[in-house]
Amino acid sequence: GAVVSQHPSRVICKSGTSVKIECRSLDFQATTMFWYRQFPKQSLMLMATSNEGSKATYEQGVEKDKFLINHASLTLSTLTVTSAHPEDSSFYICSARKGLIDSGNTIYFGEGSWLTVV
Amino acid sequence: AQKVTQAQTEISVVEKEDVTLDCVYETRDTTYYLFWYKQPPSGELVFLIRRNSFDEQNEISGRYSWNFQKSTSSFNFTITASQVVDSAVYFCALRGSGETSGSRLTFGEGTQLTVNP
Repeated sequence: GAVVSQHPSRVICKSGTSVKIECRSLDFQATTMFWYRQFPKQSLMLMATSNEGSKATYEQGVEKDKFLINHASLTLSTLTVTSAHPEDSSFYICSARKGLIDSGNTIYFGEGSWLTVV
Repeated sequence: AQKVTQAQTEISVVEKEDVTLDCVYETRDTTYYLFWYKQPPSGELVFLIRRNSFDEQNEISGRYSWNFQKSTSSFNFTITASQVVDSAVYFCALRGSGETSGSRLTFGEGTQLTVNP
C-alpha cells in the first residue's frame, strides 16, 4: 500500500518555541492531506484539511495562527505549532488522500508525532 | 452531521475468547464509507477494512470479521480466538460523500481492547 511518513516521530520543545512536523506521501501525490490531534485516551480530532497550493481549511475551534499548515507540494504538508504551550502536548497524526474524493479507501495515515512541550 | 459512537470504552478478555467491538454511526449521506483502524501502543493507525454503504455483505479476513447492518446503522467488528497481539485501541470511522462530509473521516471514541494471556 501507499506510504505516508511523518517526521519527527517524537519531539520535546520548550514552552514558547515553535515546532514543525512534516508529513510526506512517499510514493504518491496527495492533493489533500489531513491533520489530526489525539489527546491521551481520546479519539482523533480533525484539526485542518490541507490542500496543495491553497490555504488550509481549519475546523471550528482550531487557531489558524497557532497551527500553521503549509502544503507547498503534492508530497509534503507541514504543521507548525507556534508559541507552543504544555497544553499543546499531544499526538499529531496526518493522513493523505490518494486519488479523488469519491474513492473510499485511499486515505493513508502517517505514523504520528508525539509532541511534548515542557 | 456525521457521528460515530463506540459505546465500549474498554474491553478485557482472556486469550482465545471471541470479542465483538460495536460501532454505530449517523450520516445523512446515502453513499458513505465505514472503516476500522487499529492503533497499537506505538500510536500509528493501521487500516483494517473499508466498507461501502451499498455493499452489505459481511466480510471475514482470518480471525477478523465485520457485520454491517444498514438497518441499525451498525458496523461491528469481531475478533475470533483473540490473541495478546490484538491488544490495541480500535477506531471505527465514517466518511460521507458530500462536499463537506466526503472530505474527512469522523472517528468514534475508540475501544481499548486488552487481551490477557
